Amino acid sequence: EVQLVESGGGLVKPGGSLRLSCEASGFTFSSYNMNWVRQAPGKGLQWVSSIITSSTYIYYADSVKGRFTISRDNAKNSLYLQMNSLRAEDTGVYYCVRRNGYTSGAFDIWGQGTMVTVSS
Amino acid sequence: SYVLTQPPSLSEAPGKTARITCGGDNIASKGVHWYQQKPGQAPVLLIYYDTDRPSGIPERFSGSSSGNTATLTISRVEAGDEADYYCQVWENNSDHPVFGGGTKLTVL
Repeated sequence: EVQLVESGGGLVKPGGSLRLSCEASGFTFSSYNMNWVRQAPGKGLQWVSSIITSSTYIYYADSVKGRFTISRDNAKNSLYLQMNSLRAEDTGVYYCVRRNGYTSGAFDIWGQGTMVTVSS
Repeated sequence: SYVLTQPPSLSEAPGKTARITCGGDNIASKGVHWYQQKPGQAPVLLIYYDTDRPSGIPERFSGSSSGNTATLTISRVEAGDEADYYCQVWENNSDHPVFGGGTKLTVL
């Protein structure tokens, strides 16, 4: 079964750090571009960051640039998001998402999400 | 940056047809993807590249795109279709995806 499982969320104070992880299974992880997409409570979907297969190209939303770092370990079938200098507005569910070239670049597989709460 | 506009909400009776729109400048020149998100669940890909359905998605769900508007059509609406629906495209010459604000479908 194709699956993405996130972990690492939790409660953190403003200015603090968290590292999210996403473990992939059921497909050749190294062949897919991967993304993080978040959703604030009661709000819509917001793309956070993406990384291509070889990690050569990495992209960030302006709202997290300079604070978040995406990375991947293809040998471990894992995707990561290091989040520093966290703000209240970073609160939300963070989804690990696969981008599939066979579906014209649509996000075809989503993890169940991990909740990040930034609060004092 | 590119903006996608969706109506915040839509209501439809069971058995009827629901049409959810997604507006964007010359959106027909891009490939529009649609996602369904039920309460407490992760989004699911419904339609990709304007009109294509992933395996397992019922034929009741269809998509189209023309000019400045893309449309997700749900035929024979069922209670289980009650969810939030999001459109998404990739900005030209960038690797930045853009999501619409989402439309909450209520089944009366």
